[in-house]
Amino acid sequence: DAGITQSPRHKVTETGTPVTLRCHQTENHRYMYWYRQDPGHGLRLIHYSYGVKDTDKGEVSDGYSVSRSKTEDFLLTLESATSSQTSVYFCAISDSVRVAYGYTFGSGTRLTVV
Amino acid sequence: AQSVTQLDSQVPVFEEAPVELRCNYSSSVSVYLFWYVQYPNQGLQLLLKYLSGSTLVKGINGFEAEFNKSQTSFHLRKPSVHISDTAEYFCAVSDQETSGSRLTFGEGTQLTVNP
Repeated sequence: DAGITQSPRHKVTETGTPVTLRCHQTENHRYMYWYRQDPGHGLRLIHYSYGVKDTDKGEVSDGYSVSRSKTEDFLLTLESATSSQTSVYFCAISDSVRVAYGYTFGSGTRLTVV
Repeated sequence: AQSVTQLDSQVPVFEEAPVELRCNYSSSVSVYLFWYVQYPNQGLQLLLKYLSGSTLVKGINGFEAEFNKSQTSFHLRKPSVHISDTAEYFCAVSDQETSGSRLTFGEGTQLTVNP
């Protein structure tokens, strides 16, 4: 979707190194989310943000941190990457706390930790 | 808390055949229900959603889903599939009563349409 971009699209990194993934939106939406997608698990929520500097944990937050210093950017950091964090990471945005209005997803970042 | 179970991880069908992808959910409160589609190497796109009202919901690309509260199901159907429908499909749920409630996804169903 043109209103939300993720970078990088692909990354290979070594175990123990820090990694930061970026989600950038041009929609001025308040809510932003980071999910990871793994076979057999669907999408699982890592962290989410409900405004600048306001973030909270999802169901699989261990080993991850986030920051949101501007409305348009939501960063996901793996402080010390592990092989279990090899996954496809999706960012999503929403303009309402009522999820019924729908999420818009980015195209994903494929991360491989070797 | 809510949960979603997609009963089939893979569904192979022939072109022009009908298809049903099954989704059951669990929640102690009223819910919103969604189906998303993911084409290879892309993000998720919303196919359709049930918020309230008619239990039969029509979405894009000829898909429809029926909400069955007594069976806690939200199965996705299409009467005649095309090769281009090959994708992974995700069912998702959110409860209506929790402020800031977020989507919970099922494990996904890979639909493969063969010629």
